[in-house]
Amino acid sequence: SQQGEEDPQALSIQEGENATMNCSYKTSINNLQWYRQNSGRGLVHLILIRSNEREKHSGRLRVTLDTSKKSSSLLITASRAADTASYFCATESRGSTLGRLYFGRGTQLTVWP
Amino acid sequence: DGGITQSPKYLFRKEGQNVTLSCEQNLNHDAMYWYRQDPGQGLRLIYYSQIVNDFQKGDIAEGYSVSREKKESFPLTVTSAQKNPTAFYLCASSISRTSGYNNEQFFGPGTRLTVL
Repeated sequence: SQQGEEDPQALSIQEGENATMNCSYKTSINNLQWYRQNSGRGLVHLILIRSNEREKHSGRLRVTLDTSKKSSSLLITASRAADTASYFCATESRGSTLGRLYFGRGTQLTVWP
Repeated sequence: DGGITQSPKYLFRKEGQNVTLSCEQNLNHDAMYWYRQDPGQGLRLIYYSQIVNDFQKGDIAEGYSVSREKKESFPLTVTSAQKNPTAFYLCASSISRTSGYNNEQFFGPGTRLTVL
């Protein structure tokens, strides 16, 4: 399977704490993307990191990519109750159909007020 | 407002019936996708289309069919051949990769299909 795998499957923290989610994948990639899904809703794109990038920031989000280990991490700093959602990584595999994404199973993040 | 819409939000079907899920986008995107999501699972690709009048099977196309007669529309038909159709269905679109833009996907709100 070319799917990414997120770790942990579930994460529960208090408001103000940082949340770190990891993603591992199996094949060479063009880019890796992180998405968020609130319960029963569609996915929302958060951030994209290209294979030649190592770190990217967007507001309270920090994404790292280690292509030698085929892994990525998403850090949410100073979490809020509104960050409660499922977070998915998705990879665009090199050599695969351009634009096609492979999604992992997601990490369910719960932030308690 | 630009966006991608899906209808209906909830759909109930009797066994043996075909149903069609609607997906419309006004983002002028070339590529469109259909995913299936089961509880606690990731997204699995059913079909995708990179251009009008062309589409390809994804990983779980059996029991499904699509058409792409217009750029804005990519309806999905769940046929009676799909043995376990109860799931949450998500439609997405993205700008053609050849345009050089980042290839993020924009998702609709989803359709929850339940087979009675």
